[in-house]
Amino acid sequence: QQPVQSPQAVILREGEDAVINCSSSKALYSVHWYRQKHGEAPIFLMILLKGGEQKGHDKISASFNEKKQQSSLYLTASQLSYSGTYFCGYELISNFGNEKLTFGTGTRLTIIP
Amino acid sequence: EAQVTQNPRYLITVTGKKLTVTCSQNMNHEYMSWYRQDPGLGLRQIYYSMNVEVTDKGDVPEGYKVSRKEKRNFPLILESPSPNQTSLYFCASGIGQDYTFGSGTRLTVV
Repeated sequence: QQPVQSPQAVILREGEDAVINCSSSKALYSVHWYRQKHGEAPIFLMILLKGGEQKGHDKISASFNEKKQQSSLYLTASQLSYSGTYFCGYELISNFGNEKLTFGTGTRLTIIP
Repeated sequence: EAQVTQNPRYLITVTGKKLTVTCSQNMNHEYMSWYRQDPGLGLRQIYYSMNVEVTDKGDVPEGYKVSRKEKRNFPLILESPSPNQTSLYFCASGIGQDYTFGSGTRLTVV
């Protein structure tokens, strides 16, 4: 079952902030975030492990609340280059007792000048 | 250069004609996976493999087969393609921050 992302789409002016949320009904091992430009492969942004940690990468950061099984991606002072579709990926426990990576439905972010 | 190579990049085929999309990685990864991407549905996992000869179904396995005879290769097989399998397909390998996607295969079944 896919993680659920919200919002599905958002349009921002350059310099504005955005938050993308991701939730799952299953117990999680970790959360990954990816960005995909149109027609290209998804590119890794960051990974968050259990423990409620928060990570940052330039002006993009994320948090992981394992109790609520939710993660949020924060984009601060957005730049034109941030445009794309963002996916969260949840590592779940597979039939083999190992992790499998399942992705959310995606959030399309459009930054306008 | 570390990479995941998919072939072909584009493919148009007819209903019922068996096809194989190849995926190869040069990073000695144990974990490999196939996804399909459709508008509004995100990336949905078709099959994944934990190692050679170890595969399992993802969320949308119907109509697909896979095999993992060698560590580097993980082909996706459509025995009898149908129009609802028209999609953008991605292969990926690795785990954690080393998870790498191929460039994608755009498949059209008419």
